[in-house]
Amino acid sequence: DGGITQSPKYLFRKEGQNVTLSCEQNLNHDAMYWYRQDPGQGLRLIYYSQIVNDFQKGDIAEGYSVSREKKESFPLTVTSAQKNPTAFYLCASTGDSTYNEQFFGPGTRLTVL
Amino acid sequence: GQQLNQSPQSMFIQEGEDVSMNCTSSSIFNTWLWYKQDPGEGPVLLIALYKAGELTSNGRLTAQFGITRKDSFLNISASIPSDVGIYFCAGRSNTNAGKSTFGDGTTLTVKP
Repeated sequence: DGGITQSPKYLFRKEGQNVTLSCEQNLNHDAMYWYRQDPGQGLRLIYYSQIVNDFQKGDIAEGYSVSREKKESFPLTVTSAQKNPTAFYLCASTGDSTYNEQFFGPGTRLTVL
Repeated sequence: GQQLNQSPQSMFIQEGEDVSMNCTSSSIFNTWLWYKQDPGEGPVLLIALYKAGELTSNGRLTAQFGITRKDSFLNISASIPSDVGIYFCAGRSNTNAGKSTFGDGTTLTVKP
């Protein structure tokens, strides 16, 4: 089945450690996105990539980094510079057709202790 | 930047009632999308709208793309307990690098 996978579902890290969240899609989509969601709030864009080897900062990029070496993969690293990293992280992708709906992965809940 | 106002923020209804929620924007969008998110899961696309004035149904769900291209509504008829969740609207503009702008969500609670 085509879709977006994120792993792990739950992640625990000590304060001060970097952590990388995985996002893989087999939808052959060019564009991929990372969002952060805090309890009771909407989605805030962290980074996005419209094509391999290219990515742009979203609204809240500070303390995060990404790479896009392959079309299928868009990992997000939460660095120790991110002041409040505990959140629910969602990856999404979009095709390049006229009907370019955005599809989401199941999310990763990161808790920094 | 583009902003969406989604209302109401939350709704508490009785099973069997109809529900209506809407989103308005100060900007024009080319596409409106409605998602549902269950707790601890990613949002799932419910309905996509591509033309101003378009009215689209998906089972008990009906959504419309406003004529002005600055608003959209979602109706749920005859609600059932599994309709519980957070509903998000999203607008997409062809001039915004394909990015979606999301509303803050409407939390729906259905009492049996």
